[in-house]
Amino acid sequence: RKEVEQDPGPFNVPEGATVAFNCTYSNSASQSFFWYRQDCRKEPKLLMSVYSSGNEDGRFTAQLNRASQYISLLIRDSKLSDSATYLCVVNGQNNDMRFGAGTRLTVKP
Amino acid sequence: EAQVTQNPRYLITVTGKKLTVTCSQNMNHEYMSWYRQDPGLGLRQIYYSMNVEVTDKGDVPEGYKVSRKEKRNFPLILESPSPNQTSLYFCASSRDRGLGGYTFGSGTRLTVV
Repeated sequence: RKEVEQDPGPFNVPEGATVAFNCTYSNSASQSFFWYRQDCRKEPKLLMSVYSSGNEDGRFTAQLNRASQYISLLIRDSKLSDSATYLCVVNGQNNDMRFGAGTRLTVKP
Repeated sequence: EAQVTQNPRYLITVTGKKLTVTCSQNMNHEYMSWYRQDPGLGLRQIYYSMNVEVTDKGDVPEGYKVSRKEKRNFPLILESPSPNQTSLYFCASSRDRGLGGYTFGSGTRLTVV
């Protein structure tokens, strides 16, 4: 089993839709969780950290479910500019960062 | 501007011809790391460095070397590239081993023929 697993998608949604991605992780001792955004052929950029209590940044909401070992990212009122690949990142057993393979989102007019 | 600079952006080379990909950061970060990204596999760590003269293997170190003689620079060396090293490479730096988030370089797309 991979340490961090994501549904690769693609998720194709219309503008204005709400879309959610999940990411499962295998290390029950993980303490740090992140979502990164990666545009095609470009470097990943930190989108948001995921806190135990959940957190929100504008149209983006991240949540953590420790019992089921997954994190989620919810995007409300999708914009064309949200089209990208979203990477889930979790700290691994050696406290290094483990990346999921990413979920691709396409927002269409 | 705080950044990680990688060069070159694109490189096509032949099997066995030694090459170096440079990486430099201007944020005084102690932690630097190299990743490769392949379709369906996500980013996999090649080598990392906790500080000057301190380097360690990641998940896929075979065929690669690194050095960390200065805090700002962390070059990736392929002594004898092979076609299975064709990939997209990213250098990243962080103050705290990524726990506060990485800053990535723009990437190097390497093709070995």
